[in-house]
This record gives sequence, structure tokens and C-alpha cells, in this order.
Amino acid sequence: AQSVTQPDIHITVSEGASLELRCNYSYGATPYLFWYVQSPGQGLQLLLKYFSGDTLVQGIKGFEAEFKRSQSSFNLRKPSVHWSDAAEYFCAVGHGAGNMLTFGGGTRLMVKP
Amino acid sequence: SAVISQKPSRDICQRGTSLTIQCQVDSQVTMMFWYRQQPGQSLTLIATANQGSEATYESGFVIDKFPISRPNLTFSTLTVSNMSPEDSSIYLCSVSGADTQYFGPGTRLTVL
Repeated sequence: AQSVTQPDIHITVSEGASLELRCNYSYGATPYLFWYVQSPGQGLQLLLKYFSGDTLVQGIKGFEAEFKRSQSSFNLRKPSVHWSDAAEYFCAVGHGAGNMLTFGGGTRLMVKP
Repeated sequence: SAVISQKPSRDICQRGTSLTIQCQVDSQVTMMFWYRQQPGQSLTLIATANQGSEATYESGFVIDKFPISRPNLTFSTLTVSNMSPEDSSIYLCSVSGADTQYFGPGTRLTVL
């Protein structure tokens, strides 16, 4: 069965610092991988996705993620964090491009001024 | 992309009652999904709803507790039946796009 692990429940970074959120997955086939962000009281917004091809994918709001098959990882990065990035971040694996998702437990990002 | 609306956005209900949540999409979609997000937790899939067929429920979720309707390609409802405080959650519907899933804003349910 597929699963997604986000090892860090909470992360605090200073504004302007770089960020990396970890995501590890377990999936029997070629995974469809996603990162979503959920701001307080808001729905889920897609940051980026990976299906195939270039393993470094660019997303919205300056985020990027790198797919590493050998490590079963899909870590999210941002070179310089803004206070508005404070939110909950979810990594997910899809059973096909538009099919149901299995989510990781989420990482709550806090940004210090 | 798809634009999804949900009603109500939030509600406070008494235990033992039922609440029906509506999900409306601005385009026709084949697959719709209902997720639950318990306080401080991640999202868990409740069921998949395809138009014209019975919903498919995930392990731990049953039709008697979470009946789902899917009368057409743009609309679905999820009912939370005989509610208890443990049902307090955010309920989100989502739809499949060409290459991803789009989520509604969620319905925040509190059961007293």
C-alpha cells in the first residue's frame, strides 16, 4: 500500500532563510507526487506536481521540489522564506494523474520575523 | 482548473443530528472525492463518487454513516449522520482535473 511520510511536524525558520520540507513516499509504481499548502482557514492550494521528466520541478510562490527515486523522496524547497509562507504543507502521492491522493501528515511552517 | 464551492462553510451541530454538505463544481467532472481532516491531522479519503454509480468507501468509512449522492457531473453531497463530537472535522470535496486534484474550501463542522 502507498504511504507518505513527512518527518517534520513543525519547522520554524527566520524570514529570508532557506527552507526544505522533507517528504518520503512508498509506492509500487511510478509515483505522481504533489505538494499542497493550506493556510489557516483556507482550502488546499497546489504548489507543484511531478509526473515524469525533469526531476526538479518549479511551482508557484517560488517553491521547487526535487524527485529522487533512489531515496523515495520529494523534498520541497524555497531559497528565501517570506512571512506569508507560514502555513501547513502537505505532500501527497496520487494513484494516477487525476486520481485520489494519499497525504502525508503535514508539516506546519512558522516564520520568525 | 476547476472552481469548487461548498456549503455550508461551517456549522455547529448537536450530537445525534445529521448534516448534509454540498459540493458544486463549475465544470463537468467524472470523479469527485470526499476527504476528512480531523483537528490537527492530515487529510483522509472518505469515498470516491462517480456519477451514475454507488460511491466507493475507504476502509473505516461506511455508507450508513456517510451517505453520498452524485446526481450529476457538477454536484455531490456528503451527509454526516448521527453525529458525535468525534465527527468534528473539516470536510473537503475535490475533483480530478487533467493532471491533478482541485479542492474546495472545506466545511468546518463542530459537533457539541
